[in-house]
Amino acid sequence: GAVVSQHPSWVICKSGTSVKIECRSLDFQATTMFWYRQFPKQSLMLMATSNEGSKATYEQGVEKDKFLINHASLTLSTLTVTSAHPEDSSFYICSARDPWALNEQFFGPGTRLTVL
Amino acid sequence: GDSVTQMEGPVTLSEEAFLTINCTYTATGYPSLFWYVQYPGEGLQLLLKATKADDKGSNKGFEATYRKETTSFHLEKGSVQVSDSAVYFCALSDLEGAQKLVFGQGTRLTINP
Repeated sequence: GAVVSQHPSWVICKSGTSVKIECRSLDFQATTMFWYRQFPKQSLMLMATSNEGSKATYEQGVEKDKFLINHASLTLSTLTVTSAHPEDSSFYICSARDPWALNEQFFGPGTRLTVL
Repeated sequence: GDSVTQMEGPVTLSEEAFLTINCTYTATGYPSLFWYVQYPGEGLQLLLKATKADDKGSNKGFEATYRKETTSFHLEKGSVQVSDSAVYFCALSDLEGAQKLVFGQGTRLTINP
């Protein structure tokens, strides 16, 4: 199957700083990528849908000014957690939809964010 | 809105045991149904899917049948292996618009030798 990478795989930052997470589709072009958040022992919650060349669509309750999403190319989407606080600590997962694979979503391995 | 409910875990079985993980859904439309698996330290992988009623998805010895009348998509395997230890997620997606995935809460499965 198609491969999606995320970088970094884990990050620790101080409260008040910003953190950028990258999501890349390595062997296909993805016009649509998704960002999820996963709390310990809980399910994945969709945060936003990232569309190449246009603004992201955020799910209800997700602060778009806090979680900035940029999808500047067909293979890269970034999630920036601005002014991070301890409650933002979580596992962030991206997926990319492959239009040549019946629109199946392929998932990255996730990024563990810890805010001190 | 659409939702997915899975049986709560964790589930612990012995090798070669029969596995069932229950999944039911609510949806306004006619969704596609999926099972994803997350092995330790890895990203989610699609295990199997079904796109219409009575379809059976199968992969790696796992099966699930799309039951519209009971709004269910239970995952089964006749004989589990230690390597099946993982977290399993049931999910649905509508076929229109953004085709967003809605996940169940996940079921952690541990297989003991």
